[in-house]
Amino acid sequence: AQSVAQPEDQVNVAEGNPLTVKCTYSVSGNPYLFWYVQYPNRGLQFLLKYITGDNLVKGSYGFEAEFNKSQTSFHLKKPSALVSDSALYFCAVRDRGGDYKLSFGAGTTVTVRA
Amino acid sequence: DGGITQSPKYLFRKEGQNVTLSCEQNLNHDAMYWYRQDPGQGLRLIYYSQIVNDFQKGDIAEGYSVSREKKESFPLTVTSAQKNPTAFYLCASVQGRNQPQHFGDGTRLSIL
Repeated sequence: AQSVAQPEDQVNVAEGNPLTVKCTYSVSGNPYLFWYVQYPNRGLQFLLKYITGDNLVKGSYGFEAEFNKSQTSFHLKKPSALVSDSALYFCAVRDRGGDYKLSFGAGTTVTVRA
Repeated sequence: DGGITQSPKYLFRKEGQNVTLSCEQNLNHDAMYWYRQDPGQGLRLIYYSQIVNDFQKGDIAEGYSVSREKKESFPLTVTSAQKNPTAFYLCASVQGRNQPQHFGDGTRLSIL
């Protein structure tokens, strides 16, 4: 079985401040981990992924995420948030040895105030 | 540009009516998926297909049906047996186990 938890429904930050969106996961084997962003009435856009190797993954639009195996976490970060980063963010996991199904967290709404 | 096209963008269903949501991809991906999105619940998997002429039930398949007669197409039918169909429906595709899924822009289904 695989699952994802995003413990915060909402994150509010001021523009220019660091942004962190938390994600913890559970898989029986080793994970593939993904972050997506969704704007209103749109599909999900891929931001970054962890497959193997370096625990710090850099992605699109200045986002990065750190894979922590001992804490089973994959938190999304951005050093300096923009108002345009306001959106819904999803973390997703797939067991490396499993089938092609992804499990998604419930999502975190990020609001960046000017 | 390659991508996934979902149509229509908005759809209304009458009581007792079946409706079909279209999903077409030109990415040459083998695997395709249908998700349902409700506020605060993330994405829930309805059906998925890893190859043409084969598909599997996801976590919430009751009241839905699919077909996969062509690689590029994976239509979803919301039947009258689905008593609470109002939601945002997303189609996705992927090629490769460690690759990210690509998503369409969704269809919003409402009850008349």
